[in-house]
Amino acid sequence: QSALTQPASVSGSPGQSITISCTGTSSDVGSYNLVSWYQQHPGKAPKLMIYEVSKRPSGVSNRFSGSKSGNTASLTISGLQAEDEADYYCCSYAGSPYVFGTGTKVTVL
Amino acid sequence: QVTLRESGPALVKPTQTLTLTCTFSGFSLSTSGMCVSWIRQPPGKALEWLARIDWDDDKYYSTSLKTRLTISKDTSKNQVVLTMTNMDPVDTATYYCARIGGKGHPFDPWGQGTLVTVSS
Repeated sequence: QSALTQPASVSGSPGQSITISCTGTSSDVGSYNLVSWYQQHPGKAPKLMIYEVSKRPSGVSNRFSGSKSGNTASLTISGLQAEDEADYYCCSYAGSPYVFGTGTKVTVL
Repeated sequence: QVTLRESGPALVKPTQTLTLTCTFSGFSLSTSGMCVSWIRQPPGKALEWLARIDWDDDKYYSTSLKTRLTISKDTSKNQVVLTMTNMDPVDTATYYCARIGGKGHPFDPWGQGTLVTVSS
C-alpha cells in the first residue's frame, strides 16, 4: 500500500483560503468515502479535523471543509489564521489496512 | 471523556522486541464496533498505520510489517498491547494509539505518543 500523495507545503496569508490535495488510487481514495484529515502541531498528537470526506467533528471550525473527486480528496481552509499553521495528513480506509498521506506543511505568511 | 496513553521503553537495542501498552478510558473494547489502532511517526516524517484490533478480537496489520507485529487486548484492564520484533534503527519513531469508533471510522482521539529510539 503506497502512501497517498500530498504537496509538501502550502502557504497563504491571513484571511486567504488554501486547498491541500490528497491523491490516491482506485483501491483507496477512489473506492471509499472514508477519507479523514488530521492536523498536527509540532510536538503534539494529530487531531481529527474532517472524516468521511466532508464531515466535521464537533468543535472543529467550519473554516475547514473537505471534498473528493475520483482518486483525489481535498482539504480547504478558509479565512486562514495563524493557529492553522501546522502539518496536515490525509488518511484513507483501504479495506482492512489504512493508508496515510505524505503530509503537508501549512505556513501562514 | 475518552483518553488514551501509550507506555513502553524509550530505548531498545537492535534485534530486540518492543512491547508497547495503550491504556485507555472512557470506552470499552467489549462494546460492539469499538477498535484501537497503532500508528507511528519517525522524526520529521509522515504517519504510518501499523495495526488494529476490534471489539470481537479481529486483528489487522500493515502489509509491510505484519510478520513483525502482534496486537492483543486485555478488556478487563482497558489495555491494548503491540509487540514488534527484530527492532532496527529505522523503527525509531513516536508510537501512537488511537480509538476507532467503528470499522471505517476515523482515528479519534489519539494518545500523546511515546518516542522509541532504537540504538545500540
